[in-house]
Amino acid sequence: AQKVTQAQTEISVVEKEDVTLDCVYETRDTTYYLFWYKQPPSGELVFLIRRNSFDEQNEISGRYSWNFQKSTSSFNFTITASQVVDSAVYFCALKGQGGKLIFGQGTELSVKP
Amino acid sequence: GAGVSQSPSNKVTEKGKDVELRCDPISGHTALYWYRQSLGQGLEFLIYFQGNSAPDKSGLPSDRFSAERTGGSVSTLTIQRTQQEDSAVYLCASSLDSLGYSPLHFGNGTRLTVT
Repeated sequence: AQKVTQAQTEISVVEKEDVTLDCVYETRDTTYYLFWYKQPPSGELVFLIRRNSFDEQNEISGRYSWNFQKSTSSFNFTITASQVVDSAVYFCALKGQGGKLIFGQGTELSVKP
Repeated sequence: GAGVSQSPSNKVTEKGKDVELRCDPISGHTALYWYRQSLGQGLEFLIYFQGNSAPDKSGLPSDRFSAERTGGSVSTLTIQRTQQEDSAVYLCASSLDSLGYSPLHFGNGTRLTVT
């Protein structure tokens, strides 16, 4: 069975703070894909990043960075120097060899000015 | 190009009535997914279609829920004899394929309220 756990339900930070959103996954598949999505207050889900199970390189995109560690089955997401516009619900998701994309429960990030 | 389109954007129905929710995926996308998001909750997988293969229905919560995809394009999610617990936002997504690296592109959802 596949499972994604985002233990942090809500996080509140002050603008310019760094924040890390945790994601832990479970799968028996040897090939799988991990994703992060953002859901701002407007409601539309926005794709942020994808990773396949063979690529453990960390990735940085502007203020966003992702740390993928197979040894701990984690795919954490860090926002550096957070901004009010980063306030949203962030979802981690796992797609296994069966093709079904399973989401975690989401972490609601609130960035206060 | 056009994104994933869902209609209606809002639907209010009485308990016991049937409803149909429609999804127009991005042209050329072979995979189509339905999810349900209850207030303040995560995304619950319902069903997905990949090309001409049999759909994965493992997430449908009861036999009141069904979905079809005609001609490999438009999909309809039908809920029969709606119950109040069916109230949620129903999200449709499409991707180039389901077995690979392709991310899902989501529509804006249909907000269903069962009174």
